Amino acid sequence: AQKVTQAQTEISVVEKEDVTLDCVYETRDTTYYLFWYKQPPSGELVFLIRRNSFDEQNEISGRYSWNFQKSTSSFNFTITASQVVDSAVYFCALRVPGDYKLSFGAGTTVTVRA
Amino acid sequence: DGGITQSPKYLFRKEGQNVTLSCEQNLNHDAMYWYRQDPGQGLRLIYYSQIVNDFQKGDIAEGYSVSREKKESFPLTVTSAQKNPTAFYLCASSDDRGFSQPQHFGDGTRLSIL
Repeated sequence: AQKVTQAQTEISVVEKEDVTLDCVYETRDTTYYLFWYKQPPSGELVFLIRRNSFDEQNEISGRYSWNFQKSTSSFNFTITASQVVDSAVYFCALRVPGDYKLSFGAGTTVTVRA
Repeated sequence: DGGITQSPKYLFRKEGQNVTLSCEQNLNHDAMYWYRQDPGQGLRLIYYSQIVNDFQKGDIAEGYSVSREKKESFPLTVTSAQKNPTAFYLCASSDDRGFSQPQHFGDGTRLSIL
């Protein structure tokens, strides 16, 4: 069975601070995909990034960056110079071959104060 | 614009009543999914469908039913057998050429008990 743990329930920062969201996963599969989604107050989940288990390159997209480390089974997400529009719930998820669902973590609520 | 449309946005159910949540997509995706989201928890899979006229139970299918008569549509019925239906329901779809494809989500339906 797959498991995703997001230990941080809520994070509150002041605008322009950096914030890092932790994600730890468990799976016996050697091939898998990891995802991050953002859920703003409107409710829709917005896909942010996908990473496969064989690609440990870190990635940067604008103010967002992701650090994937297989050795620690972690796929952490950093928002640099946070903005009020970054306020949302962020979910980490895992999918393995043959399993049609995404296994989600419980989510981390990020509040960015002006 | 391509996307997933869920309706209604808010729904109230009386005791003993069945209610149906609508989900329509124009992304030409083969696979569709229903998830349930409870406060402080990640999303849990209710049902999924890979092709028309076929669907499979997810982790929490009891008290729910679905149909998939058209590629674009995947309605979810919350039956009176579901004793705790109050939750946020999210529909998703994906181009399932492989497990690597991200799932794209609608805006959700919030269901409450009257």
